Amino acid sequence: DQQVKQNSPSLSVQEGRISILNCDYTNSMFDYFLWYKKYPAEGPTFLISISSIKDKNEDGRFTVFLNKSAKHLSLHIVPSQPGDSAVYFCAASAGAGKSTFGDGTTLTVKP
Amino acid sequence: DTAVSQTPKYLVTQMGNDKSIKCEQNLGHDTMYWYKQDSKKFLKIMFSYNNKELIINETVPNRFSPKSPDKAHLNLHINSLELGDSAVYFCASSQDPSGRPPYNEQFFGPGTRLTVL
Repeated sequence: DQQVKQNSPSLSVQEGRISILNCDYTNSMFDYFLWYKKYPAEGPTFLISISSIKDKNEDGRFTVFLNKSAKHLSLHIVPSQPGDSAVYFCAASAGAGKSTFGDGTTLTVKP
Repeated sequence: DTAVSQTPKYLVTQMGNDKSIKCEQNLGHDTMYWYKQDSKKFLKIMFSYNNKELIINETVPNRFSPKSPDKAHLNLHINSLELGDSAVYFCASSQDPSGRPPYNEQFFGPGTRLTVL
């Protein structure tokens, strides 16, 4: 039972354009959502998060949108840079430190 | 200065062997985790310890036994290794286990790639 899904395994975007990464979840108990970024041969690093009481959180070039009714969140990166090329994981938490991760989307930003 | 470190980075071993992976964090965090990333790239939580006590124990074979000698260390011992244990294992830590902001951000180690032949 995959509670967090990232349906696009890969995404390719031109430098300077917007990257939109999507994530869907099924568990209505999730109340906190995080995005992690992972480079090859490294562990994931935290990027941005959002609480279920909000529908948008922005941090520089990164914005996360949450649509609770659709159980959908998205990460927007604008403008995209080649250094953003990485695997992006969304994660959802229902408390007690247990985060459920999606299977990742590989973003490639072309110069 | 590495925040969460794991050793070894690569581990190649035969079926049936027993092996350990070590994890240390110097962030002063109370909570540590072990995740398994399989060939399908899913990151699945295995265990979580808070102040040396087990708080999350997912459906993991008994062959996997975590040990936390102190708050800064969480080691993973695996008995009778099987082919299906081949994966990348990530250690992580967080400030507390509540899962509530701002403490639910986890800091990950670089991973240990385990290959069972």
